[in-house]
Amino acid sequence: QVQLVQSGAEVTKPGASVKVSCKASGYTFTTYGIHWVRQAPGQRPEWMGWINVGRNTTKYSQRFQGRVTIKTDTSASTAHMELTSLTSEDTAIYYCARGPVSGFRELFYFNAWGQGTLVTVSS
Amino acid sequence: DIVMTQSPDSLAVSLGERVTIKCKSSQSLLYSPYNKDYVSWYQHKAGQPPRLLIYWASTRESGVPDRFSGSGSGTDFTLAISSVQAEDVAIYYCQQYYTTPVTFGGGTKVEIK
Repeated sequence: QVQLVQSGAEVTKPGASVKVSCKASGYTFTTYGIHWVRQAPGQRPEWMGWINVGRNTTKYSQRFQGRVTIKTDTSASTAHMELTSLTSEDTAIYYCARGPVSGFRELFYFNAWGQGTLVTVSS
Repeated sequence: DIVMTQSPDSLAVSLGERVTIKCKSSQSLLYSPYNKDYVSWYQHKAGQPPRLLIYWASTRESGVPDRFSGSGSGTDFTLAISSVQAEDVAIYYCQQYYTTPVTFGGGTKVEIK
């Protein structure tokens, strides 16, 4: 079965960076994309960006442009998300999610999710 | 950004009752060349990741019980649960993928009376 297993919780300080990983199994990693979605306490989910794993192309939300980097290691079927210049407002659960790849118009819905990684930013 | 507005914020229903959740977008999500609405619905239970229920506004994801259905087009969409079960307690979110950034509704919390 399809599984996305994320790395463990992180506690970090303002100004630092955090890197979260997401290991995929149960499907051919290169035939889907991987998105990152976060949800702060009491807030709606927020899309951060995605990577077309097969083409190694990325697209980021303007809100995070310049602060977020998404990469993959296809040999390990793992995606990584790094977020820099953290503030307390980045405290949230971060999810990786699988999405279909389309040859034409982008299809950014999410048909499998990781278990979530809590990132806490506190001085 | 496209704003997705859900209603109600929460509801409490008896087992077996019908539930209807509304989602309104700030612009049309219908892509006319494909005649498809770029809307999905998710179920989010406490302590679990979200689960895709519906995409293309009305296509049920594999494995999703048929008591869940999606409808609507353009700017107005509905998720219905025909006969709510105890395991349906969750927060439900609509999401548009018509354009980036994709955006979510504020969520509707479903509880059992």
